Amino acid sequence: EIVLTQSPGTLSLSPGERATLSCRASQSVNSFYLGWYQQKPGQAPRLLIYGASSRATGIPDRFSGSGSGTDFTLTISRLEPEDFAVYYCQQYGPSPHTFGQGTKLEIK
Amino acid sequence: EVQLVQSGTEVKKPGESLKISCKGSGYNFPNYWIGWVRQMPGKGLEWMGIIYPGDSDTRYSPSFQGQVTISADKPFSTAYLQWSSLKASDTAIYYCARLSGDNFLDSWGQGTLVTVSS
Repeated sequence: EIVLTQSPGTLSLSPGERATLSCRASQSVNSFYLGWYQQKPGQAPRLLIYGASSRATGIPDRFSGSGSGTDFTLTISRLEPEDFAVYYCQQYGPSPHTFGQGTKLEIK
Repeated sequence: EVQLVQSGTEVKKPGESLKISCKGSGYNFPNYWIGWVRQMPGKGLEWMGIIYPGDSDTRYSPSFQGQVTISADKPFSTAYLQWSSLKASDTAIYYCARLSGDNFLDSWGQGTLVTVSS
């Protein structure tokens, strides 16, 4: 089973700042099978990024994904108030399709 | 529009059985895998398993194998998650989600809250 470790656990930033979230895998992940999800309180998760770097339908271009092998990054270029949420990475190659433990992005 | 609509909140006692549902619409239900994800109170997302409604091929996470049963009813475009004997530790929100052709979770249900308490 591939273990995904996200860092930091909590990230405190202000609107307008740049956010960089990390996802590290216990073994190499085909970047085609790495995604990111956003979850706001009381809501279901929402797909942001698939294939490590492709934005899902309707996702603003301030969200971008990058990485390969065991290290992946989600970047939010300029934070908007609605971006403060919890973010999860997921690998969906070999079963089980594991999630990272999440990074909480909070307002500073 | 793809929609997944889950059954409502459940309150059960330890030892009771339960089956929750996830009804898909707006797409060809048999042709897409459906997954189940657990979120315990205040915690992260856990991938439980998936089912292909077309032939009921099912894969489980080792953490959930033998603990739950995933099934699907193709004519009713509905997937199910069931327990034979609930524990307090099964208290969580359970989400169903559709897997895209490339296996990422592209559409999610609204979640079903299951509370198990004596």
